Amino acid sequence: AQTVTQSQPEMSVQEAETVTLSCTYDTSESNYYLFWYKQPPSRQMILVIRQEAYKQQNATENRFSVNFQKAAKSFSLKISDSQLGDTAMYFCAFTQETSGSRLTFGEGTQLTVNP
Amino acid sequence: ETGVTQTPRHLVMGMTNKKSLKCEQHLGHNAMYWYKQSAKKPLELMFVYNFKEQTENNSVPSRFSPECPNSSHLFLHLHTLQPEDSALYLCASSQTSSALEQFFGPGTRLTVL
Repeated sequence: AQTVTQSQPEMSVQEAETVTLSCTYDTSESNYYLFWYKQPPSRQMILVIRQEAYKQQNATENRFSVNFQKAAKSFSLKISDSQLGDTAMYFCAFTQETSGSRLTFGEGTQLTVNP
Repeated sequence: ETGVTQTPRHLVMGMTNKKSLKCEQHLGHNAMYWYKQSAKKPLELMFVYNFKEQTENNSVPSRFSPECPNSSHLFLHLHTLQPEDSALYLCASSQTSSALEQFFGPGTRLTVL
C-alpha cells in the first residue's frame, strides 16, 4: 500500500521569505504522480503543482517549485517570496499511473505567512 | 455558478436524523468523488462515480449512501450517524476517473450530536 508522510504539522514564514514543506512517500511502483494541494481557510482545495515520476526535471509554477528526489522518495514544495495569501493547509498527494482517481493524501502541513 | 459547489456548507444533525449533502459540478466532468476530512488525519476517499456508475466504495459504513443521478450531481444521504462521523465532507470531480486532476468543492462541515 502507498503511504504519504508529511512530518511538519505546522510551519510559519515571514512575508517575502522562502519556505520548504517536506513530503515523503512509499511505493513499489515506478510510474506515478505526485501533487501538492493547498486548502485555504475557505476550505476549497486547489491543485498547486504536479510532478510526473518519469520526469527528471522538477516542476515549477510561478513561485512554487518542487524538489523531487525519486530514489529517496522525497517530494518537497518550495514557496518563494511568500505572500499572506499563501497561508493555508498544504497536502501532499500520490497516485499510481494506472489509478488516476485514487489519490493518497498526507496529513497536511499548516503554513502561516506572517506580515 | 462555476466549478464545484456543495450545499449546505454547515450541517448539525442528531444521531437519529436523516439528511443529505449535495454536490454539483459545472465543469462538464464525468467522474465525481466523496472524501471525508477529519482533524489531523489524511483525506479519506469514500466513493467514486464514473459516468454515473459507482466504481469505488472504500469500505464505507452503510449509514452513508451515495447517489449520482447524472454526471453533474452527487448526493450523500446520511442516516443514524455517529458522533465520530463529524468531519468535513469534500466533493470533487474530474474529467473521468482516470484523469489526474481533481477539482474540489468547499466542503460541508458536518457535526453529529
